[in-house]
Amino acid sequence: QSALTQPASVSGSPGQSITVSCTGTSSDVGGYNYVSWYQQHPGKAPKLMIYDVSSRPSGVSNRFSGSKSGNTASLTISGLQADDEADYYCSSYTASSTLVFGTGTKVTVL
Amino acid sequence: QVQLQESGPGLVKPSETLSLTCTVSGYSISSGYFWGWVRQTPGKGLEWIGTTFHGGNTYYNPSLKSRVTISVDTSRNQLSLRLSSVTAADSVTAADTAVYYCARGLGAGSGTRFDPWGQGALVTVSS
Repeated sequence: QSALTQPASVSGSPGQSITVSCTGTSSDVGGYNYVSWYQQHPGKAPKLMIYDVSSRPSGVSNRFSGSKSGNTASLTISGLQADDEADYYCSSYTASSTLVFGTGTKVTVL
Repeated sequence: QVQLQESGPGLVKPSETLSLTCTVSGYSISSGYFWGWVRQTPGKGLEWIGTTFHGGNTYYNPSLKSRVTISVDTSRNQLSLRLSSVTAADSVTAADTAVYYCARGLGAGSGTRFDPWGQGALVTVSS
């Protein structure tokens, strides 16, 4: 299974909004509403930020939101803060009952 | 709250078997949920290894399926990972040196997301 495609890097200034894309196929992202997003700070374990395309786990800021159109899912971070600087990974359930992760995006707060 | 902690040898020789254990606290594995493993090679992205459900099926990454075994020990409330025939970073095939994470799987099917995660265990493959 091929990794989902994400941009290598995205940057924005404090207070701005940024969007990270995650492109797959009709056998994963496009076929199921089971896209998740994880935040990973250096040296730390990933943290679930969004699941089922647009749901937020308890405790995650509402500045984080998710959406999907066709084979591409998106994570939007509004009101960008310094602590949002991290790597972000998407993942999707697949038609083979497996999971596939994205290539990862480094978000930089300018 | 559920907490997970990986443990095992930090150094494994090429061609040998990597074995890791994940101890779960705050929840009984036999009570439900999925449990899985994910790895991250140095400086690179996440790779799903597999997911298991106590008393149910186990699902593996097709690229690793021939070498990996995931199992559950309910008496110890532990999840285990075995990866055979590991390769070093200078091999022509994908290297197995990575940080290995265990995590609880949630959602439909074979689990659609992981939360929470263990802190991770670095395993280096080298002679």
